[in-house]
Amino acid sequence: ELKVEQNPLFLSMQEGKNYTIYCNYSTTSDRLYWYRQDPGKSLESLFVLLSNGAVKQEGRLMASLDTKARLSTLHITAAVHDLSATYFCAVNTDKLIFGTGTRLQVFP
Amino acid sequence: DTGVSQDPRHKITKRGQNVTFRCDPISEHNRLYWYRQTLGQGPEFLTYFQNEAQLEKSRLLSDRFSAERPKGSFSTLEIQRTEQGDSAMYLCASSLGDFKNEQFFGPGTRLTVL
Repeated sequence: ELKVEQNPLFLSMQEGKNYTIYCNYSTTSDRLYWYRQDPGKSLESLFVLLSNGAVKQEGRLMASLDTKARLSTLHITAAVHDLSATYFCAVNTDKLIFGTGTRLQVFP
Repeated sequence: DTGVSQDPRHKITKRGQNVTFRCDPISEHNRLYWYRQTLGQGPEFLTYFQNEAQLEKSRLLSDRFSAERPKGSFSTLEIQRTEQGDSAMYLCASSLGDFKNEQFFGPGTRLTVL
């Protein structure tokens, strides 16, 4: 059974700091997605990673994929309060298998 | 708006009642997915359609749940004899082509069973 694990599950960080969220998965896949979810809302697509070594950046967020290690990372640079949300990675087989989510809270 | 739409956005029902949700995918998208998300968890796959054919159902989809996509366009998800454990956000997504293509999510239907 495919498993997707994220860590940490909860992250409280100060504005201006850097941190990385990790996503490990248990089967071969070369397609991985990162989503943001605000409380009570649906999923907002952040990044689509389609191959080994893929790196994408948008603002203060950067995502990478290592298919050999079955690992993706979401790096946060100089966090701001607006980044507070829950972040999910998801592996695409013939459906999406989501990670457990990382709840990010950025405080002043 | 050409995105995925879902109706209703919120539903409150009493235990034992039946409920039906609707999802309208992006036009021309042949694949349509249903996911369920309970509080504090990631979304979990329920079922998906390719055109009008339902190709896979999760073990989460008990016999109280039924989904249809009669003309390969919109889809409905019905829950019969609702239970409090059915309280969740029900998300619909659609994609074009095969499973490799990105899924686009609708706003979700939040179900509360009292």
